[in-house]
Amino acid sequence: SQQGEEDPQALSIQEGENATMNCSYKTSINNLQWYRQNSGRGLVHLILIRSNEREKHSGRLRVTLDTSKKSSSLLITASRAADTASYFCATGMDSSYKLIFGSGTRLLVRP
Amino acid sequence: KAGVTQTPRYLIKTRGQQVTLSCSPISGHRSVSWYQQTPGQGLQFLFEYFSETQRNKGNFPGRFSGRQFSNSRSEMNVSTLELGDSALYLCASSLEDGGNTEAFFGQGTRLTVV
Repeated sequence: SQQGEEDPQALSIQEGENATMNCSYKTSINNLQWYRQNSGRGLVHLILIRSNEREKHSGRLRVTLDTSKKSSSLLITASRAADTASYFCATGMDSSYKLIFGSGTRLLVRP
Repeated sequence: KAGVTQTPRYLIKTRGQQVTLSCSPISGHRSVSWYQQTPGQGLQFLFEYFSETQRNKGNFPGRFSGRQFSNSRSEMNVSTLELGDSALYLCASSLEDGGNTEAFFGQGTRLTVV
């Protein structure tokens, strides 16, 4: 079973707008990672946030983590058509590299 | 620096056959994990290897097995293939022990069972 649930399942926005995706999980975590996937290809790592961090930035990406609510959000600012992809959150819970993935958000950025 | 390499990229097999997929991790990475991705079940963890030892296993039948070699390359094997095994199989490698660094994924092997 999947640990994370993502919301929304699908999102359609205009180029230049911001996109926000949310992820909720069920158990205690070591870290939470966000990945992008284009058309059923490999996953591209976007950002990792550790359980003792609250916010992290990378370029146009901003990730927040609220461990008390067991939730995270990914904000993509000034979106581009090339950002069109599926976005997944994944939680790491122990000293191994077992990741539990959410169901994903399909983002469509319209030119 | 080369990324994670998975071979083959595409594979078509018949029910009942077996298949072996290969994964070469990023140089220096000692942890290799495998995932199955299907439209119905999403991304599911299969197993993880670290220094040739299976450290974690997901909830898959014994037909799914894997191994890791001394150079950290890994293979996974699926025996007695079923139609439901059709999926994208993804391999990921990670650098450090401790589970708190990024996992980098390969492009995957798309397996179709007919």
